[in-house]
Amino acid sequence: SYELTQPPSVSVSPGQTARITCSGDALPNQYAYWYQQKPGQAPILVIYKDTERPSGIPERFSGYSSGTIVTLTISGVQAEDEADYFCQSAHSSGNYPQLVFGGGTKLTVL
Amino acid sequence: EVQLVESGGGLVQPGRSLRLSCAVSGFTFDDYAMHWVRQAPGKGLEWVAGISWNGNYIVYADSVKGRFTISRDNAKNSLYLQMNSLRPEDTALYYCTKDSASTIGASGIHNWFDPWGQGTLVTVSS
Repeated sequence: SYELTQPPSVSVSPGQTARITCSGDALPNQYAYWYQQKPGQAPILVIYKDTERPSGIPERFSGYSSGTIVTLTISGVQAEDEADYFCQSAHSSGNYPQLVFGGGTKLTVL
Repeated sequence: EVQLVESGGGLVQPGRSLRLSCAVSGFTFDDYAMHWVRQAPGKGLEWVAGISWNGNYIVYADSVKGRFTISRDNAKNSLYLQMNSLRPEDTALYYCTKDSASTIGASGIHNWFDPWGQGTLVTVSS
């Protein structure tokens, strides 16, 4: 089955830049999406179509795609950005699409 | 304000059934595909099933295919998940979420999830 691979954890100090990667063989042909999930809360969309930011998401969140790797960048990290981050994409399995999540990355703000 | 409110979770024995519901408001329900996504305790997100705006196109994760059935009632602005032959590994918080598009996986269609409900907990244990 198709997999998206993320690092389990990333740690940064406040004000620094955090980069969270997501790799998958189909990513050159499929968009990626990023979700933020804080403890006890439902996920929220922070990036769609690799690089687009939904309204209401701070400008410090950005996305980048290159080949089989997509990257979520959080510039000037704030304490409130500490959360789990999940990438998501799609893959065709036979004639049927499968929507897939990465395993998630825990962002710790030191 | 868009709202998705899940219900129907609970404790159930292995092999039994459960039906989840998701009541939707704040957007035109029958303009969008809908999905169920689950999260086992302390684990990541797993997409479970999706249904097109009119119910004519349905897809499932391999882990639930043949056991779970997704459906919708556009007149009632509601999404459902019938779960049969439940297993301990189905224990999770089940989220209802709105798709960005009206159908799933078609050429040129890109599917992402926004927004999400708060989830309903399903525990499968004897």
